[in-house]
Amino acid sequence: NAGVTQTPKFRILKIGQSMTLQCTQDMNHNYMYWYRQDPGMGLKLIYYSVGAGITDKGEVPNGYNVSRSTTEDFPLRLELAAPSQTSVYFCAILDFRNVKNGYTFGSGTRLTVV
Amino acid sequence: QQPVQSPQAVILREGEDAVINCSSSKALYSVHWYRQKHGEAPVFLMILLKGGEQKGHEKISASFNEKKQQSSLYLTASQLSYSGTYFCGTVPANAGGTSYGKLTFGQGTILTVHP
Repeated sequence: NAGVTQTPKFRILKIGQSMTLQCTQDMNHNYMYWYRQDPGMGLKLIYYSVGAGITDKGEVPNGYNVSRSTTEDFPLRLELAAPSQTSVYFCAILDFRNVKNGYTFGSGTRLTVV
Repeated sequence: QQPVQSPQAVILREGEDAVINCSSSKALYSVHWYRQKHGEAPVFLMILLKGGEQKGHEKISASFNEKKQQSSLYLTASQLSYSGTYFCGTVPANAGGTSYGKLTFGQGTILTVHP
């Protein structure tokens, strides 16, 4: 039972390149989230999903896109990478039937845009 | 709006106590607390729901004062393993059933415990 798996763990992109950050869960939780964490800062919500086929914007969605075709997978797409997107990206899941267990986070993807 | 945590940093010796506060300008429905060690993902500690409840986890406990729109995290008899950055995450009271678990996180409090 891996919980939440994020790939890759590290990536360096050049300005203007695109990439997809992968997030896969094996806990069958409906709620999934993408947060970014800038150095020395808290986490900010990029996008979230309440189930397959349903996604919505968070606080900082510009420059990103998501899709949710299955319960397990919630990839985050960066188009035309910019230095401002240098950050650590965390995927998180929540069991809406038992919110008292809080979020389970993936191990994160550290992205540098140069 | 982002909740405000205080203090920004605290340094302790093993066995000492600390309090970390999380204040919001909005009425809150719930408050989550997480601990993040350097280079790792945040780990869930506890959740407090409106009603002023207090919870405990090992020697870490927390309270939630709805009227003050504030939660406090209490760390007693600190251990080296308590070192890390502590974050609160909040759900506003007016979100009702549409919050979908979305959290707004504070900026974090860095806790360092020395031998």
